[in-house]
Amino acid sequence: DAGVIQSPRHEVTEMGQEVTLRCKPISGHNSLFWYRQTMMRGLELLIYFNNNVPIDDSGMPEDRFSAKMPNASFSTLKIQPSEPRDSAVYFCASSLTTGTYEQYFGPGTRLTVT
Amino acid sequence: RKEVEQDPGPFNVPEGATVAFNCTYSNSASQSFFWYRQDCRKEPKLLMSVYSSGNEDGRFTAQLNRASQYISLLIRDSKLSDSATYLCVVKQYKLSFGAGTTVTVRA
Repeated sequence: DAGVIQSPRHEVTEMGQEVTLRCKPISGHNSLFWYRQTMMRGLELLIYFNNNVPIDDSGMPEDRFSAKMPNASFSTLKIQPSEPRDSAVYFCASSLTTGTYEQYFGPGTRLTVT
Repeated sequence: RKEVEQDPGPFNVPEGATVAFNCTYSNSASQSFFWYRQDCRKEPKLLMSVYSSGNEDGRFTAQLNRASQYISLLIRDSKLSDSATYLCVVKQYKLSFGAGTTVTVRA
């Protein structure tokens, strides 16, 4: 079975550009999570959805970040405009429900903003 | 204060050795506890849950001390393949991840 799918795997962009990261959760999973990982701050939860509805976006750093989940099989995380401090690995994860402790992570998108 | 704190290591141990490390958490209302494993440049994966009475999974033993608010992981008879970063995870209504403890097992 396919796991969580993320694209692109690597993204290099210039400051000020719009960046869109994509995620396809595991089929049948109702909860989707976006994380950011850096050496300095570790793994941080940005936002999570339950049944396509955003439940908690308190981890979103600022208004430059937005996330959508238009259907059960697709989510996007957008950064506009991007800044060098946004450089990180962005992981998408899914689980059966928000109450389920095992989250399945995608391979991540390594974002570099120059 | 961070919600979950871990000694970043690295812990460098020879094959066959035992290695143990802890993490502490700040929220006494935390309900569930886990260890995830993350290999270099890979995604985190669930290693094991941590139960109040302590639990084992093969060579791995996890323990929870609610009074002192810490969790431990012990790896016996370490293998080269155990080299990874181990993330301590605490759940109240969402998962909170520690920054990880790096373990390197050398031949």
